[in-house]
Amino acid sequence: DAGITQSPRHKVTETGTPVTLRCHQTENHRYMYWYRQDPGHGLRLIHYSYGVKDTDKGEVSDGYSVSRSKTEDFLLTLESATSSQTSVYFCAISESLPDRYEQYFGPGTRLTVT
Amino acid sequence: AQKVTQAQTEISVVEKEDVTLDCVYETRDTTYYLFWYKQPPSGELVFLIRRNSFDEQNEISGRYSWNFQKSTSSFNFTITASQVVDSAVYFCALSVGIYGQNFVFGPGTRLSVLP
Repeated sequence: DAGITQSPRHKVTETGTPVTLRCHQTENHRYMYWYRQDPGHGLRLIHYSYGVKDTDKGEVSDGYSVSRSKTEDFLLTLESATSSQTSVYFCAISESLPDRYEQYFGPGTRLTVT
Repeated sequence: AQKVTQAQTEISVVEKEDVTLDCVYETRDTTYYLFWYKQPPSGELVFLIRRNSFDEQNEISGRYSWNFQKSTSSFNFTITASQVVDSAVYFCALSVGIYGQNFVFGPGTRLSVLP
C-alpha cells in the first residue's frame, strides 16, 4: 500500500470557521491531488500539485486553497467553511506523469459543516 | 471536455453470477488513459487497472476482465463468478493532460453481491 495518511480522519466544524486538512505521503511522489466525494458525483478534483510550491485549480476549487511547502505534505484549507463543503475528502498521489500512472488514494477525511 | 458515464447506478446479483459494469467515456484527445477503482464499504479507494488509448487488448486478472472498445468509447468491467467480497462501489475514470488535472471519475456503480 502507498504510504498516504490524512488528518484528521473525521471533523465536525461550524459554518464560517477555517479548516485545514493535511495529506502526508512517504513515497516521495511528485504529484498530489485533493478530491471531494459526494453522492452521485463520484470524485471531483479540487486542486492538484505538480511539485513543491506548484499548484493549480481543479474542477471545484471555489472556496478552497492549497499549499505545498514540502514534497511530502499537501494542505487543503477551507477559509470559511460552508455547509456545501460537507463531504468526504480524499488525497491522492501519483508517481510520475500521471496521465500514464494511476493515482493512489489516502483513507479519506469525513468533514461535516454544521 | 472529458466525461465518464456509468449508467448503472446500482446492480444486485446473487453469488456466483457473472456481472458486467458499463463505462462509457468522452474525450477529444487521442491519447488518454482509463482506470477502474474499487471502493469497498470500508471507504478506501483501490486501484484495479489502467489502460491506455493505444492498447485495445482485453485484459484478464483472475475473476476480473476488462473489455476496451474505442469504436464505442467503452471500457467495461466483468466479474466472473461474483463473491460477496466483490460488493463495493466501482468507479471508472479517464485521464488526459500532462499533470492528470483532467482525471475525471464516473459517478460509480454500487454492486451488491448477495449470498
